[in-house]
Amino acid sequence: GENVEQHPSTLSVQEGDSAVIKCTYSDSASNYFPWYKQELGKRPQLIIDIRSNVGEKKDQRIAVTLNKTAKHFSLHITETQPEDSAVYFCAASWGHDMRFGAGTRLTVKP
Amino acid sequence: DGGITQSPKYLFRKEGQNVTLSCEQNLNHDAMYWYRQDPGQGLRLIYYSQIVNDFQKGDIAEGYSVSREKKESFPLTVTSAQKNPTAFYLCASNAGYTDTQYFGPGTRLTVL
Repeated sequence: GENVEQHPSTLSVQEGDSAVIKCTYSDSASNYFPWYKQELGKRPQLIIDIRSNVGEKKDQRIAVTLNKTAKHFSLHITETQPEDSAVYFCAASWGHDMRFGAGTRLTVKP
Repeated sequence: DGGITQSPKYLFRKEGQNVTLSCEQNLNHDAMYWYRQDPGQGLRLIYYSQIVNDFQKGDIAEGYSVSREKKESFPLTVTSAQKNPTAFYLCASNAGYTDTQYFGPGTRLTVL
């Protein structure tokens, strides 16, 4: 089955700096890659996603890149703000089979 | 995701008891899922259902049971056979024609 690895597990940046979180997956059949943001005690919220026929997608300060050959995808957050502090999860899916990374705790210091 | 509700928000269980977690959605979504989240770990799939009266085991189904009698509802029962049930339980749904899953607010279960 699919296995998703996520790095780093914790990330601390200064406000205004960029943050990058990386994930790798094992199943070449995976074709959908969402990123979720989860604040403490809350539900995961979808922040951006990408499909296997696209190499990059951007939404304001957030971007995701996908390298299908290498089976890795990354989340990029620019101009970070304190409210970006949360746990971020990547996921890879094929049909109804969605597998999640272990999460990255991002802390943005003011 | 405001269309997915879970109750209760907090649940306490004594050893040996079965408890049922509720998940309801008014999004007309075909597929529904139950995940378990432990500290420092990602979400792990317990069960999922693609249509009414049908459901499939996920990676960690042992000690859990589900039913899908209505499209809107997918309750999860944590049985006494689940030896370490303390966790945050998340329900999700998607429309079937899309892969995007939307989550409910979660239920935090604690075994006393």
